[in-house]
Order: sequence, then structure tokens, then C-alpha cells
Amino acid sequence: NAGVTQTPKFQVLKTGQSMTLQCAQDMNHEYMSWYRQDPGMGLRLIHYSVGAGITDQGEVPNGYNVSRSTTEDFPLRLLSAAPSQTSVYFCASSPGGGYYGYTFGSGTRLTVV
Amino acid sequence: DQQVKQNSPSLSVQEGRISILNCDYTNSMFDYFLWYKKYPAEGPTFLISISSIKDKNEDGRFTVFLNKSAKHLSLHIVPSQPGDSAVYFCAASALQGAQKLVFGQGTRLTINP
Repeated sequence: NAGVTQTPKFQVLKTGQSMTLQCAQDMNHEYMSWYRQDPGMGLRLIHYSVGAGITDQGEVPNGYNVSRSTTEDFPLRLLSAAPSQTSVYFCASSPGGGYYGYTFGSGTRLTVV
Repeated sequence: DQQVKQNSPSLSVQEGRISILNCDYTNSMFDYFLWYKKYPAEGPTFLISISSIKDKNEDGRFTVFLNKSAKHLSLHIVPSQPGDSAVYFCAASALQGAQKLVFGQGTRLTINP
């Protein structure tokens, strides 16, 4: 049981480039989310999904795009990378949010130069 | 507007003693509170949660206390072990919006031999 798998683990981008961070879960969870972690700021919600075909914005959605065509996959797209998007990105999934909590992937460390 | 706050960036405790991590929140609509543990280069791992209808929840060495009137929760670890050294995040979500976790900034716990 792999849980939540994120690829790549590390990525360096040039300003203006685009890329997709991949996230897949094999637990048949309906809820999936993307967070970014910056020093001293905890984890902040970027986008989330409560099921295939349903996505919504979190606290810091600007510059990111998501889609959810299957239950398993929830990719995060950076449209035009900026140095402010240098961060560690975590994907997470949950059977129902709230008390159940979320299972997190191991993260993608992104540097934009 | 920081809805979940962990005011202590770090805490150092002797092995075998009690570790107490604190968390304050401002949003009275929060219904669920969770603690996560994070090791370097890994994703956060769910530790323990509590719903707003309870004031205490125990799981082995870990106990979470909730004081709704003070909008305060704490995580007690007894006895503390070297493997407990990690960053601990407090998180909260509302029943309406259970898919959105709001995290505190984290507290780095160091257990000294």
C-alpha cells in the first residue's frame, strides 16, 4: 500500500517556466489537497478536491491550477513559475476530512531561480 | 489572519519527562482539531485528533486536551522519547468545510538524553 505518492521529489525551475507536480493515492480517498510549506508559516492550503471533477481554491491559489479527472490523481500545475513559489509542496488525501485527518505524501521541494 | 497559532517555535525536554505543546485558535467554528508530527524531508504524519464535543482524547503516550472557552488545545507526550524529536503542527477544520485544514506554524520539539 503506497499511500500518497508525489513526483518529482526535487525540481529546479527558471522564472516563467511551467510544470506539473504529480500526486497519486491508492486508498480510494475522496478528498485530496495541495499544501505548501514555507519557513515560519506552517502549511497553507493551495487547492483542494472533494471528488473527481470537483475542485476549489484554498488560502493561496494564485499561480496554481488543478484538475481531478480520477479519484486517484490530483496534479498541481504551476502556470508561470515565480521565485515566490519556491517552497515545499505536499499533497494529501483523506476519506472525509475533519476528524479523519489527512495522509500526506513525502513532498516536492521546488526552487524557482 | 492567523486562525491557528503555535506561539512557541521550539521546545526542549529531557528524555522521560512530559512534553507539552500548545496551540491557540481564533475561529469558534472549528469542530475538529488535529496534531501532526513531521520529520525532516518527510510529509506530516497524523498523530491524534479531538472533536469539539470532547475535552480530552488519549492514544498511548499522547493526550490532547481541548479548552473551548479559552480556544486552546495542548498535546501532552508522556514519557518523552528521543524519537519524539520532530516538528509538531496543530491543525483545525470546521464541520462545514471539513476538507480544509488550517495549520499552525509548528513547534520544534527536541528530546535531550
